[in-house]
Amino acid sequence: NAGVMQNPRHLVRRRGQEARLRCSPMKGHSHVYWYRQLPEEGLKFMVYLQKENIIDESGMPKERFSAEFPKEGPSILRIQQVVRGDSAAYFCASSPPNDGAGNTIYFGEGSWLTVV
Amino acid sequence: DQQVKQNSPSLSVQEGRISILNCDYTNSMFDYFLWYKKYPAEGPTFLISISSIKDKNEDGRFTVFLNKSAKHLSLHIVPSQPGDSAVYFCAATPYGNKLVFGAGTILRVKS
Repeated sequence: NAGVMQNPRHLVRRRGQEARLRCSPMKGHSHVYWYRQLPEEGLKFMVYLQKENIIDESGMPKERFSAEFPKEGPSILRIQQVVRGDSAAYFCASSPPNDGAGNTIYFGEGSWLTVV
Repeated sequence: DQQVKQNSPSLSVQEGRISILNCDYTNSMFDYFLWYKKYPAEGPTFLISISSIKDKNEDGRFTVFLNKSAKHLSLHIVPSQPGDSAVYFCAATPYGNKLVFGAGTILRVKS
């Protein structure tokens, strides 16, 4: 897990507020992924980004969720108007540029969102 | 649509013995397979991987076997240690794309 930095580690929001989760990838990694783990479930893919580009957002809920990975700064997962069902652990992961071979994806420690 | 399945929710093994964790997949486009270990309140930690051109990869106490015709892979831990107690996730991907995870297997190693 060393190198992928996520913050905050824990976040409490009231229903209707916005949640912003940040992720800085490992040094040299240009690919960022966000995964969500709901209680008692496995990790579910949400979105895959490269700098300034969303490559695959097939796992993102259609509404209220957005992600970005700007040219400068961390990747941000933004959840607007949070509901109790958004309470989960959100994991960011990164990998180096794809060289055609399998790349290992390394995870951060996670951000635990609790909606009250 | 469970493309990666870990059918055993939990496994209990005596310290020093072998732990075998199994994983099946359905998508023939998967070419790269990984195992992650996860402790509560922490992120998944990469353990070992294997590409589809191999049938075995070994790293210390950990060995992953891939049977591509059966779409099955397994993780062997020998000898098992109490510190190995964690949730183990199998994951698969076509090269350069997102990981698809299984639901995980809880391993308990008893001393």
